[in-house]
Amino acid sequence: SAVISQKPSRDICQRGTSLTIQCQVDSQVTMMFWYRQQPGQSLTLIATANQGSEATYESGFVIDKFPISRPNLTFSTLTVSNMSPEDSSIYLCSVDGQDYGYTFGSGTRLTVV
Amino acid sequence: AQSVTQPDIHITVSEGASLELRCNYSYGATPYLFWYVQSPGQGLQLLLKYFSGDTLVQGIKGFEAEFKRSQSSFNLRKPSVHWSDAAEYFCAVGRSTGFQKLVFGTGTRLLVSP
Repeated sequence: SAVISQKPSRDICQRGTSLTIQCQVDSQVTMMFWYRQQPGQSLTLIATANQGSEATYESGFVIDKFPISRPNLTFSTLTVSNMSPEDSSIYLCSVDGQDYGYTFGSGTRLTVV
Repeated sequence: AQSVTQPDIHITVSEGASLELRCNYSYGATPYLFWYVQSPGQGLQLLLKYFSGDTLVQGIKGFEAEFKRSQSSFNLRKPSVHWSDAAEYFCAVGRSTGFQKLVFGTGTRLLVSP
């Protein structure tokens, strides 16, 4: 199965600033997925990133707040923009490993103060 | 719309006792079903998955799950729980064709008592 390297693992940020999270996969994948896990909650999909096209955002998430890049088949970034304390969450990237199932990165624990 | 229900928010099991975590799903197509475990401060680790075939699937760490189409269920079981199994467990469903997102249940937190 694919191995995902996600960084940073955690960060504490000031409100109003932005943070970019990176995910590097050890093999080429068609789709990458970005999830948010708010404190004590389950995972919610933010967007699906396909190489060479605009990301597809789920209801309640917008590109201006969560811009995503997907420059090639092994890498993607998610930016959390103009942060507020409500953005404090764990952010995870994921890939579809086909027969191996969906693999997740280790997550980025973001605290906004 | 697809959904996953994990009716138990918390479960406490004595070490060495058996475990069953419930998962019910609602999905219009043939589902892919997954169980993930999340230890505190960690990412998600895949325990097992069901795509097709034998409805009883074996996973890592001694876990197994049974797919029951008639009940729309995919319950996770382990015959003897270890203290290291204490974690959050998530059931998820995805579509069986194409590259699709996963829909997660709300999770069940497992506590293991000595």
